[in-house]
Amino acid sequence: QKEVEQNSGPLSVPEGAIASLNCTYSDRGSQSFFWYRQYSGKSPELIMFIYSNGDKEDGRFTAQLNKASQYVSLLIRDSQPSDSATYLCAAPINTGTASKLTFGTGTRLQVTL
Amino acid sequence: SAVISQKPSRDICQRGTSLTIQCQVDSQVTMMFWYRQQPGQSLTLIATANQGSEATYESGFVIDKFPISRPNLTFSTLTVSNMSPEDSSIYLCSVESPGDGGQYFGPGTRLTVT
Repeated sequence: QKEVEQNSGPLSVPEGAIASLNCTYSDRGSQSFFWYRQYSGKSPELIMFIYSNGDKEDGRFTAQLNKASQYVSLLIRDSQPSDSATYLCAAPINTGTASKLTFGTGTRLQVTL
Repeated sequence: SAVISQKPSRDICQRGTSLTIQCQVDSQVTMMFWYRQQPGQSLTLIATANQGSEATYESGFVIDKFPISRPNLTFSTLTVSNMSPEDSSIYLCSVESPGDGGQYFGPGTRLTVT
């Protein structure tokens, strides 16, 4: 089993709708989770991270973490065409001296007009 | 968040040669990380670079192929040695920001090996 899993998509949503991106992880010891947005040909851009169970909101983005179910999601409200990108979920692997990230394969989001 | 730059942004190299990629951060950071993103794939960690000690490599990556330097707290280099077409990838450095704990990526180096 991969450590971080995502549906590759594409996930297609109409402009103005809510996009829901999901991620599951295998390591119950994972304490934090990161969501990155990656436009084609660009490097990943950190958009949110979450440490605690529950919801964390930042503008149109809401991250949700459920540690019991080992599930983390990203909701994008009022989706815009500019949100069309690949969204990567990542979790650190703590070694005691560094936090390395393991990434899911990413979900490609398409926001249609 | 940290501001990270990389050089070169892209290069086309012949097989058998080596390329050194530079990563510069605008603030002092303890750890720097090097990732590879092959075409159509997600990111894979190559190694972790700590100033003053040897880099720690992930399974499948070795120092002879990917030597790393970390001479100070704001700079690191990754060399891709004896390149083959399979090394064609985007190479990215990242740092963990001491301010918010987030990990931020540089713009990447797109390498094509012919």
